[in-house]
Amino acid sequence: EDQVTQSPEALRLQEGESSSLNCSYTVSGLRGLFWYRQDPGKGPEFLFTLYSAGEEKEKERLKATLTKKESFLHITAPKPEDSATYLCAVPNYGGATNKLIFGTGTLLAVQP
Amino acid sequence: EPEVTQTPSHQVTQMGQEVILRCVPISNHLYFYWYRQILGQKVEFLVSFYNNEISEKSEIFDDQFSVERPDGSNFTLKIRSTKLEDSAMYFCASSEERDGARNTIYFGEGSWLTVV
Repeated sequence: EDQVTQSPEALRLQEGESSSLNCSYTVSGLRGLFWYRQDPGKGPEFLFTLYSAGEEKEKERLKATLTKKESFLHITAPKPEDSATYLCAVPNYGGATNKLIFGTGTLLAVQP
Repeated sequence: EPEVTQTPSHQVTQMGQEVILRCVPISNHLYFYWYRQILGQKVEFLVSFYNNEISEKSEIFDDQFSVERPDGSNFTLKIRSTKLEDSAMYFCASSEERDGARNTIYFGEGSWLTVV
């Protein structure tokens, strides 16, 4: 069964203190790994899709990387506005559509 | 930027009542989904819909749930007789393709359902 595990569950950083979030996955055949940001009471906001090991994508202070077993979301010099829950998900293909299997997320708090 | 829109943003309903949650997916998307998130828990898949029929559904999506695309723009989730455990945030989502570079699934802001 496809599984996604994220760590840590929660992370508190000082503004400017860089760190990384981890997403490890077990899937029968990876066809993409998605990162989303979720603010309290809101829907997941798409950040990145990674398709193959070695791939990297960047957006502002965020960089996502992918290996054969895990993905990292690196946050460089974070700001308080980066505070959110970061979700990792992999697609599971069944029939004509796919469904996303989500991890439990990492709750990031960046203090000024 | 195109977005998935959902209504209502919050609904409180009595146990046993019917609820319809409405969604307008992104206009050129062909694949539609409902997910839900119970407070403090994972986002979990409910149902996917393509070519005017359900493609896949989870164990949660029992006979009390139904989906419909009544016209070219709306996509609805109906819960026939709500239970306390149906209280959750319900997310509508859509994607342009199933596979490949345009398979990103975009989510709406959610409809928070409280069953009392």
